[in-house]
Amino acid sequence: KAGVTQTPRYLIKTRGQQVTLSCSPISGHRSVSWYQQTPGQGLQFLFEYFSETQRNKGNFPGRFSGRQFSNSRSEMNVSTLELGDSALYLCASSLEPGDDYGYTFGSGTRLTVV
Amino acid sequence: AQSVTQPDIHITVSEGASLELRCNYSYGATPYLFWYVQSPGQGLQLLLKYFSGDTLVQGIKGFEAEFKRSQSSFNLRKPSVHWSDAAEYFCAVVSDMEYGNKLVFGAGTILRVKS
Repeated sequence: KAGVTQTPRYLIKTRGQQVTLSCSPISGHRSVSWYQQTPGQGLQFLFEYFSETQRNKGNFPGRFSGRQFSNSRSEMNVSTLELGDSALYLCASSLEPGDDYGYTFGSGTRLTVV
Repeated sequence: AQSVTQPDIHITVSEGASLELRCNYSYGATPYLFWYVQSPGQGLQLLLKYFSGDTLVQGIKGFEAEFKRSQSSFNLRKPSVHWSDAAEYFCAVVSDMEYGNKLVFGAGTILRVKS
């Protein structure tokens, strides 16, 4: 079966712009989590969605937001981009939150802010 | 809060040699532990996980890990490394949140394999 699909794979944006990233989970998976990966801070949790509801959020400013649709696809949005937002954004899906912790990660979206 | 430490930033081993990547965790109860591998430009692939039971866990690609509560460690091992194992390896622990949980990752260990 298809894995976790993240689009686009690469993105270049200018400071001050906003960006939307998309994540399609594995078919049947209802929980989607987002992580940011940077060389300086490593892998950090952004938020988790289940049944179209944000269940948890990491320690990120309000410029980072997300949502989940009824088909479990999720989007994350970053407004007023800063240079420090350049990162690999990873999405992970699982059947349900805490479901044997069977997280499957996508290949990520590489965001570069110039 | 739960945390994970990977003491080695880089490790270089010869092809065919054995490998051990170190991971130490901080968690009061029985932790849920994972090892992931990431190739350049790719996402994370799960190698193995530990929840309870047998402290020696077998994973994919010939990897295994041993949970040692007394040492708060979950080290990853492979008896004979292949050039294709060159990648970055992350140890992670499940951290409880108000609703549900998240993964907390170590800083990663970059494995180089020399021929």
